[in-house]
Amino acid sequence: DIVMTQSPDSLTVSLGERVTINCKSSRNILYSPTKKNYLAWYQQKPGQPPKLLIYWASTRESGVPDRFSGSGSGTDFTLTISSLQAEDVAVYYCQQYYTTPLTFGGGTKVEIK
Amino acid sequence: QVQLQESGPGLVKPSETLSLTCNVSGGSITDYYWSWIRQSPAKGLEWIGYVYYTGTTFYNPSVRSRVTMSVDTSKQQFSLVLTSVTAADTAVYYCAKGVRDYGSLDWFDPWGQGTLVTVSS
Repeated sequence: DIVMTQSPDSLTVSLGERVTINCKSSRNILYSPTKKNYLAWYQQKPGQPPKLLIYWASTRESGVPDRFSGSGSGTDFTLTISSLQAEDVAVYYCQQYYTTPLTFGGGTKVEIK
Repeated sequence: QVQLQESGPGLVKPSETLSLTCNVSGGSITDYYWSWIRQSPAKGLEWIGYVYYTGTTFYNPSVRSRVTMSVDTSKQQFSLVLTSVTAADTAVYYCAKGVRDYGSLDWFDPWGQGTLVTVSS
């Protein structure tokens, strides 16, 4: 199985500050023929299901604010929130869809300082 | 847009069978692959498997010997059956629509609200 490792486990940030969440896969998830990284990011708020933010590592889902961005390639990926808003308090997960079984990272909890 | 709603018992006894159904509205169940995903404090988010309306399935090896998924196109529903449950199967169970492109496997959008299943006597 591809293991997805997120860091940090949690972070506390002031409103308006930049947030960076890391996700590392145990294997390369860049598929050379398509030049695409098979990685998605989700946001889960308390009591809610995960919500898709980003796929193909950097393509923002329709309706997702542009303060959210994804980057990285191969085995190392980053989700960035450029300016943290109160409504961004949540747990964020990465997921690889390169191969079965599909696997998720352990999550990063973002809180307001 | 597609909406999903899980239903089923919230309490299952050890060694018995867990059965859940996901109702699909706002889109055709024949258009997508459908997954079950569970979430527990111990294991985090765990993909259980997917089903297609043709009956094609793929299961996570972690549960493959105990799981069956199926689709009822007439009811716009798909289902999960997990046998011989233990306390380790206690989790919030989500159904989700798979999104694919460029020959990929699935990312998920949307997810159902989730249903908590507790395994306890």
